[in-house]
Amino acid sequence: AQSVTQLDSQVPVFEEAPVELRCNYSSSVSVYLFWYVQYPNQGLQLLLKYLSGSTLVESINGFEAEFNKSQTSFHLRKPSVHISDTAEYFCAVSLTGTASKLTFGTGTRLQVTL
Amino acid sequence: ETGVTQSPTHLIKTRGQQVTLRCSSQSGHNTVSWYQQALGQGPQFIFQYYREEENGRGNFPPRFSGLQFPNYSSELNVNALELDDSALYLCASSYTGVGGYTFGSGTRLTVV
Repeated sequence: AQSVTQLDSQVPVFEEAPVELRCNYSSSVSVYLFWYVQYPNQGLQLLLKYLSGSTLVESINGFEAEFNKSQTSFHLRKPSVHISDTAEYFCAVSLTGTASKLTFGTGTRLQVTL
Repeated sequence: ETGVTQSPTHLIKTRGQQVTLRCSSQSGHNTVSWYQQALGQGPQFIFQYYREEENGRGNFPPRFSGLQFPNYSSELNVNALELDDSALYLCASSYTGVGGYTFGSGTRLTVV
């Protein structure tokens, strides 16, 4: 079975500072990796995903994540955060192939302040 | 694209009652999953339907059941509600599940 570990439950950061949210996964087989963002009182929005190919994936709003197979990690980074990035971020993994469920980490609360 | 819509948005039920939550999948999607998200936790997989057949189930008791209809909309039914069932219930849809899922905004269920 797969599992996901997000070591940081909360990450406070000042606006315009860089940030890294850590995600490690465990699986004996190939997986797909995802980052989802959840704003207060809302559902989850897909931020970015790794399916295959380039290990560095980017989102449209400046986030990026790098798949590291040897370290079984998929850390999320942004070079300069904004107040509007304040949200809960979830790392998730699924098996490759059709109709595989998502297994989520416990989430990291990113709190951006002035 | 219409996205994934869930109804109702909020619901209050009494312990022991039954509840039905509804989900309308995004157009073109044939896979629907349901997740339970307790306060301060990550979403937990309840079950998944692929082309109207259940093809995966998480660690939830049989009183959690579901359906997927020919138009790929879905229902989650919970019988004999318990206080611990209070949570945000999320529906997610995808075309085959590869490439990620689109989530609805959820139904907030409170059991008193």
